[in-house]
Amino acid sequence: DIVMTQSPDSLAVSLGERATINCKSSQSVLYSSNNKNYLAWYQHKPGQPPKLLIYWASTRESGVPDRFSGSGSATDFTLTISSLQAEDVAVYYCQQYYGTPYTFGQGTKLEIK
Amino acid sequence: QMQLVESGGGVLQPGGSLRLSCAASGFTFSANGMHWVRQAPGKGLEWVALIRYDGTNKYYADSVQGRFTISRDNSKNTLYLQMNSLRAEDTAVYYCAKDSSGYSPLDYWGQGTLVTVSS
Repeated sequence: DIVMTQSPDSLAVSLGERATINCKSSQSVLYSSNNKNYLAWYQHKPGQPPKLLIYWASTRESGVPDRFSGSGSATDFTLTISSLQAEDVAVYYCQQYYGTPYTFGQGTKLEIK
Repeated sequence: QMQLVESGGGVLQPGGSLRLSCAASGFTFSANGMHWVRQAPGKGLEWVALIRYDGTNKYYADSVQGRFTISRDNSKNTLYLQMNSLRAEDTAVYYCAKDSSGYSPLDYWGQGTLVTVSS
């Protein structure tokens, strides 16, 4: 199974500042035949279902604000929120869909400093 | 408008069985892979199972393999999760979610249903 490891486990950032979350996979999730990274980022707020933010490592889902961006390739990925807003307080998860079982990172709890 | 509505959660004793349902609307259910994902109290998300659009291929997490069965009825736009030999560690909110096709992310999720396994 592919193990996804996020860092840090929690993060406190001031409003308007940048937040960066890292995700590392135990094996590459880059599919060479199409040069796509099978990596997604989700936002999960209490009492709500998770929401897809980013897929193919860097493609923003429709309706997601452009302050959210994803980068990285193969085994190392980053979710960046360029200017933190109050509504961004949530737990963020990376997930690989390169192969089954699909696996999530352990989550990163983002708070306001 | 797209909707996924889970039902069937409840409280039961270890060793018991339960079937969860997920009613889909607002999209072509028969064209999408469907997943179950769970979140135990105070824990992160755990992917549970996937069934391809036509029901021919099914995949499971190691933690539920042999105890849980995912299925779907495309004529009823409904996804199921049959859970047998339940354990305390299966206590969680269970979400159903759809993907777009093939190996793709989970692009829409239901609100979840709570399953509590306790003696």
